[in-house]
Amino acid sequence: DAKTTQPPSMDCAEGRAANLPCNHSTISGNEYVYWYRQIHSQGPQYIIHGLKNNETNEMASLIITEDRKSSTLILPHATLRDTAVYYCIVSLLFSGNTPLVFGKGTRLSVIA
Amino acid sequence: EAQVTQNPRYLITVTGKKLTVTCSQNMNHEYMSWYRQDPGLGLRQIYYSMNVEVTDKGDVPEGYKVSRKEKRNFPLILESPSPNQTSLYFCASRTSGRAAYTGELFFGEGSRLTVL
Repeated sequence: DAKTTQPPSMDCAEGRAANLPCNHSTISGNEYVYWYRQIHSQGPQYIIHGLKNNETNEMASLIITEDRKSSTLILPHATLRDTAVYYCIVSLLFSGNTPLVFGKGTRLSVIA
Repeated sequence: EAQVTQNPRYLITVTGKKLTVTCSQNMNHEYMSWYRQDPGLGLRQIYYSMNVEVTDKGDVPEGYKVSRKEKRNFPLILESPSPNQTSLYFCASRTSGRAAYTGELFFGEGSRLTVL
């Protein structure tokens, strides 16, 4: 079973920030938070990951609460091409034997 | 360009006719995996491989076989396909090396299989 809880869907106006929440209250100390997205039926695409500090890359920012029980993925200026299903996943980093468990994710619709 | 390539992308076949979905990656990744995606069930792992000649079952391995004779290739074999194997299949790979390791999983574009 997925260890994360996400809202099933969200809307965001084009050009505005999209804030996607994720609850992972049972996360263990050495588990990372990963975010992937899937556009239509394409292969999932890695976005970002983090352990406890906030992270930023060219695609998004990841904010992890101090107790690590929840996190938020931020797309700073959403575009129509960001419409996708976003998956929040917790996993060990060096975990070759542990598959990424994809839950149902959040379907983000960016509206013009 | 770093990529995971799957073939065929689309296939319609009949029950019992053996088929193979190929997967090839050009990133020298040790770890490769197959997932299937079905409406309402999300992505489920079929098989994975830690390295050449090392494979293991995922959550839904029944009806599938895999082999890993070369590092770059990880074919998925359906010996006797059945309609319940109609699905969207994804191959994925990642490095297992600790140096510069992010855990990022690279996915192929998917293979949509229909078994009549």
